[in-house]
Amino acid sequence: SQQGEEDPQALSIQEGENATMNCSYKTSINNLQWYRQNSGRGLVHLILIRSNEREKHSGRLRVTLDTSKKSSSLLITASRAADTASYFCAPLQTGGFKTIFGAGTRLFVKA
Amino acid sequence: NAGVTQTPKFQVLKTGQSMTLQCAQDMNHEYMSWYRQDPGMGLRLIHYSVGAGITDQGEVPNGYNVSRSTTEDFPLRLLSAAPSQTSVYFCASSPRTGGTDTQYFGPGTRLTVL
Repeated sequence: SQQGEEDPQALSIQEGENATMNCSYKTSINNLQWYRQNSGRGLVHLILIRSNEREKHSGRLRVTLDTSKKSSSLLITASRAADTASYFCAPLQTGGFKTIFGAGTRLFVKA
Repeated sequence: NAGVTQTPKFQVLKTGQSMTLQCAQDMNHEYMSWYRQDPGMGLRLIHYSVGAGITDQGEVPNGYNVSRSTTEDFPLRLLSAAPSQTSVYFCASSPRTGGTDTQYFGPGTRLTVL
């Protein structure tokens, strides 16, 4: 198992702007998932990208994966106040079966 | 489907007391796990299970026990509560062994140890 490290730790933007969060990891992976956590609640799955994929879209979310750099990014376009939350990446190591979360990126979208 | 349910939602304990946090899922998921989240921090894996009768330790297992007698239930036991165990506890389940598929999280149990 391995832990993703999100960057930045915190991000504050205006409504309508785009938000980009990054994730780095250390070893080869099967897939990488992004989750969102609203204050005080459980995590909610956003999107999964497999190791043989380079980009994936879901609504206003765009995820990229660069396995040569062992990094991923999550882009939220046209952000809304409701996007205010913490975002976590979860890389699944090749042959692994535990999901370890990092500290997350706290996004604050100002209305 | 109710998804992943956790009880209680809130609990206050005194140092040295023991208790069990309940977690149940009705999705027939094989993989279940327990995390704790301290204020402003990410989630730390306590214990996990890849199926009934099989459990293993995560990152921070000390002071906690688990068992998995059925597919549906995965209780977390605090043996002798300590103030350092004050945290929010989340249970999660996944259809296949460990993180290959989406994890579904419960609403959490907020535990305070005095």
